[in-house]
Amino acid sequence: DVKVTQSSRYLVKRTGEKVFLECVQDMDHENMFWYRQDPGLGLRLIYFSYDVKMKEKGDIPEGYSVSREKKERFSLILESASTNQTSMYLCASSFVGGPNQPQHFGDGTRLSIL
Amino acid sequence: QQQVKQSPQSLIVQKGGISIINCAYENTAFDYFPWYQQFPGKGPALLIAIRPDVSEKKEGRFTISFNKSAKQFSLHIMDSQPGDSATYFCAASGGTSYGKLTFGQGTILTVHP
Repeated sequence: DVKVTQSSRYLVKRTGEKVFLECVQDMDHENMFWYRQDPGLGLRLIYFSYDVKMKEKGDIPEGYSVSREKKERFSLILESASTNQTSMYLCASSFVGGPNQPQHFGDGTRLSIL
Repeated sequence: QQQVKQSPQSLIVQKGGISIINCAYENTAFDYFPWYQQFPGKGPALLIAIRPDVSEKKEGRFTISFNKSAKQFSLHIMDSQPGDSATYFCAASGGTSYGKLTFGQGTILTVHP
């Protein structure tokens, strides 16, 4: 079974802090994704990566950056956390090879910015 | 902008009833339409998916209906069970998108016993 592990289930940080969210997958997937989930808005793509050191902006990249130094690990960085970044953050991974490769999700990190 | 619009936002169904969730898309380059199911405290998981060369796909109690001309697709859950209570997301993908998915807003389904 594919396992996507997010380092924290719950995280509380303060405004202005630099925040790191970590995600590790164990299936040698090429693609990795970061989403945020908000009620009534669904899942919105922040950034994705299709290879080590490669990254592409998603639909809502402002205020975020990412790092992928190793194939299995994809980090989301909030450069200077703000209260409007309070949300559920979901990481996902998939094989490359066409859009019908399912995305496998972690269980999420609920981040609160005070 | 939201390229995939999902309705209703919430749905309450009695056990044994039919649950229907609808989605509409705008981008004609989309050619893959999955549905994801999310239980509380868990990440979404792929439930069923369809490509536009067929109008319907059935897996057990779950059926996707697809209308290419109307750019709409829907999920039907037959004989709904309390264990089906979850949040359902439609999504769409296509073109050279590296497998990127555009998700709908989600539907919270509650099935009463």
